Amino acid sequence: AQSVTQPDIHITVSEGASLELRCNYSYGATPYLFWYVQSPGQGLQLLLKYFSGDTLVQGIKGFEAEFKRSQSSFNLRKPSVHWSDAAEYFCAVGGPSGYGNKLVFGAGTILRVKS
Amino acid sequence: DVKVTQSSRYLVKRTGEKVFLECVQDMDHENMFWYRQDPGLGLRLIYFSYDVKMKEKGDIPEGYSVSREKKERFSLILESASTNQTSMYLCASRQGTYGYTFGSGTRLTVV
Repeated sequence: AQSVTQPDIHITVSEGASLELRCNYSYGATPYLFWYVQSPGQGLQLLLKYFSGDTLVQGIKGFEAEFKRSQSSFNLRKPSVHWSDAAEYFCAVGGPSGYGNKLVFGAGTILRVKS
Repeated sequence: DVKVTQSSRYLVKRTGEKVFLECVQDMDHENMFWYRQDPGLGLRLIYFSYDVKMKEKGDIPEGYSVSREKKERFSLILESASTNQTSMYLCASRQGTYGYTFGSGTRLTVV
């Protein structure tokens, strides 16, 4: 069965510092991987996605993620965090669109940014 | 951009009431989903639909049903609301290999 583990429930970083949010997945085939961000009281916004090809993917708001098949990981990174990045981040894994292919989410990581 | 609209941001209902949560998408997507979000548990799939009148159970379907009579509308129904169904409910739609588009969510409180 597919699953996603986000080991860190909370992370606090200083503004301007670098950020890495961890994500490990379990999936029986080639995974489609996603990172979403949720600001308080809002829905989920797609940051980036990986389907195939280059294992380093760029997303919006200066985020990037690297797919490492050997480690079953898809960690999210940002070189310099801004106070507006404080939010909850979700990693998700799924398959191609079609019957039976659904998206499974991790429990989320809450990012706090201190000034 | 695809827009997914959930009709209510906040709802308060009484135990035992029948509750309808509505979701509409405007881009003719075939696939639609209902998730429930709880702190520390992330998002869990309740039901999904891959076509009109077609539905499949997700991971936590107990106590819920769904209806999809038109392609753009996917309704979640709580047949008899209970306090353990107090949660944030998120609707999403998807087409092809694109990422899912989520609505803003409905925060349901059952008292």
